[in-house]
Order: sequence, then C-alpha cells, then structure tokens
Amino acid sequence: QLQLQESGPGLVKTSETLSLTCSVSGGSISNTDYYWGWIRQPPGKGLEWIGNINYSGDTYYNLSLKSRITISVDTSTSQVSLTLNSVTAADTALYFCVRWSSSVGWFDPWGQGTLVTVSS
Amino acid sequence: DIQMTQSPSSVSASVGDRVTITCRASQDISTWLLWYQQKPGKAPKLLIFLASSLQSGVPSRFSGSGSGTDFTLTISSLHPEDFATYYCQQAKSFPLTFGGGTKVEIK
Repeated sequence: QLQLQESGPGLVKTSETLSLTCSVSGGSISNTDYYWGWIRQPPGKGLEWIGNINYSGDTYYNLSLKSRITISVDTSTSQVSLTLNSVTAADTALYFCVRWSSSVGWFDPWGQGTLVTVSS
Repeated sequence: DIQMTQSPSSVSASVGDRVTITCRASQDISTWLLWYQQKPGKAPKLLIFLASSLQSGVPSRFSGSGSGTDFTLTISSLHPEDFATYYCQQAKSFPLTFGGGTKVEIK
C-alpha cells in the first residue's frame, strides 16, 4: 500500500527557507501515471495547492507562490522535496504530500501532514 | 484561476438525515470535479472523482452529480462517522483549486 511521509522542521524563522521532504514507500515514484505534489492548509482554514512534479522533473506550480517555491524529485531515494523561500507568518500551515493522477485529477493518497510554524 | 464556491459553509444535521452540499465553479469544468472528506487532525480522503464516480471503498450513501459549473455531493443517510468537513476540487486547469469547505456538524 502506497504511503507518503512528510518530514522537516516544525519551526522556521521569518524570512528564512522552509524545506520539507516526502518519502514515498509501497510503490514506485517513477510510475508514469502520476505526479507528486504538495498541498497546504493554514490552521482552521481551507486547502491550497502548491505544486506537482513527476519522476522526470516536469513541474506545475501555483503561480501565486511560484517565485518562492521549488519542488524536486529524487528517484534514487524515492523522495520529493519542497523548498519555500522568504517565509512569513502567512506560510504557517499543515503541509501535505500527495500523489496526483493527471488522468482523473484526484489527490490520493495523502501523507499525514506536517505542521510548519513561521515565527520570528 | 477557477474559483470554487461551496455552500453552505456549515450544516447541522442528525444521524439518518439526507445532506446535500453544493459546489459551483466560476467557469465550465465539465466533470473535472472531486470531493474529499476531512476529519479533524487528519488528511483529506478522496470520496468522488469525475463528479460522480465513487472511489473504491467509499460507502454507497455518498453520491456526486453535476457537470459544467454546478455540482452536488449527497449523503443519503448520515452516519456518525460522516460528521466532518467536505471539500470540492477542480481538476480542469492549473492552478488546481479547492472550495472553501462545508462542515457537517451534529444537530
């Protein structure tokens, strides 16, 4: 059964860089049918798509964040990474790693999420 | 960007009630519409894809309908485990966007 596990620091200082890793297990990260992505959810609020990447590095980014984000993939370690630069308190959120099907558009499964707090 | 608007933002209902949630897209998305259920402290769970297709393992009391700009999620008879927040998502074009959520609460 495919599992996604996010990891990274729970606290990031204002103006610094947020870096998260998603480890994929129970399935191949190189499956050509899927992309891997990130979604975030500020406390008590709704869901915001951040971006997707496939095994060969093709990316789709949310343009509202594009100048600050980089998503990368390492097929040798089955990991997907997210970096978000110049963070502010508005970037405080629960960050989910997800698998995305380009054929039907769903996100499934989701990681359990990791809470990142931005504070000075 | 395609804006997704859900209504109501919250609904109070009892076990056994029929509940309908509406999602409206700001432009035609055909049937590129997904529904998710999220419980507190948990990741969202996929319920329905392509507007009306039930994800494997999801109880048949959940159903989806609609096309174009107007969609509905119906729970035919609420079970205790169905009290949660529900989100719609469009997959017609990037950026992929979600509705604001509908919280189904116990009356």
